[in-house]
Formats: sequence, structure tokens, C-alpha cells
Amino acid sequence: ETGVTQSPTHLIKTRGQQVTLRCSSQSGHNTVSWYQQALGQGPQFIFQYYREEENGRGNFPPRFSGLQFPNYSSELNVNALELDDSALYLCASSTGPPGAYEQYFGPGTRLTVT
Amino acid sequence: KNEVEQSPQNLTAQEGEFITINCSYSVGISALHWLQQHPGGGIVSLFMLSSGKKKHGRLIATINIQEKHSSLHITASHPRDSAVYICAVYNAGGTSYGKLTFGQGTILTVHP
Repeated sequence: ETGVTQSPTHLIKTRGQQVTLRCSSQSGHNTVSWYQQALGQGPQFIFQYYREEENGRGNFPPRFSGLQFPNYSSELNVNALELDDSALYLCASSTGPPGAYEQYFGPGTRLTVT
Repeated sequence: KNEVEQSPQNLTAQEGEFITINCSYSVGISALHWLQQHPGGGIVSLFMLSSGKKKHGRLIATINIQEKHSSLHITASHPRDSAVYICAVYNAGGTSYGKLTFGQGTILTVHP
């Protein structure tokens, strides 16, 4: 077990609604990355936060936004939900970028948009 | 063509068999991760490597940077090894943070 937790574990929302997913990083980790994993696919990078600042973003629209708090926990917010947003959302914490530091993944939040 | 390609996509083995999963990538990288994902979603990091070979228990990972290729080997496979194995490459791409790009995963099923 990695010590990274996510909530909720499952969530059902309706198209057009907004959702907030939460991630509690492993103690001492100042970097968190968020990923979207569609069924049968590998994860896709959404964005990364380092010491409360967004310092990298993948090919996701602005309606995907995030926050990292002083205790290094973080949130992923998605506005105006679309059916294609249905996926497993994973966060991974580390002490630095994934080029040099092991990533510790949470169990994920499975979001279903109807 | 995806930046990271894994083969095979599905693999079935009998308990005790030696297993190899391959990962090829098309971009320059500075590190490669092998990850294991069990049903339900949780991902566990198995290896992070940038050259040569690493071993942990029955798992061995190798990488050839020049050939842009990595392999994950499982010796004496066991049904509990059944999972999805994912290769992910790290490329800073001129940025200060870099990002992981993932393969589509290899579904491994080991029968008793």
C-alpha cells in the first residue's frame, strides 16, 4: 500500500454537472500528477502540481482544473461534464518529476457520466 | 502510431512459465517505468530505470536506450501475477516538469 488515498472511490454524475475529486499524497511528497484512464487504455497525463503551483499540463481543456494545498493534498475539478469524461482518475505523488523519482499511485476514482 | 507500444496486448501462461512483455518507444527518454495494475484500478510501481537492468524478486526489467526498447520478465510465473502491466516513459520535452506517456498495457493471465 502506497499511502496515497483518493476519494470518492466511485461517482456517478450527469452530463453538464461539475465534479471534484480528491487526492491525499504520501507524507513528504510535494509533487502530484493527475491522470485519466479510459477503459482498456493506458493513463493520459492531465496535469502536475509542484508546491501548490501547476507546472505542467497535458492535452486537456480548461474545464479540467486543479488545486494543491499547503499540506500537498490536491483536487481535480471538472466542469461541464461530458459523456467521454467517464474514466478512472488516478493521482500519483512523488518527491519530484517522474524522470528521477518513483511515482506512488492512489487507488483511483471511477467516474461515470450519464 | 503511439509513442509507446507494448506487446503482446494479451498474454496467457501456465503457472511456472517464464514471461516476457515488451515495450518500444519512439521518442528520446530519460527514464522508463514499469507499472502493475490490478482489477479495480490501483497501480503499483515495479521499476524505474534509465539504463541496464534491474531485478526484484522474480521480476527483471531491462532497457536498451539506443534501440528504444525495454522488456519486463517474470520468472516462475504465478496466478497472483495476473494483472495489467504498463510501460510508461518519461520525457522532459524541454519543460521543467516532463510527463509520463503510457503504453496501452499488457493483460497477463496466469493459470494454475
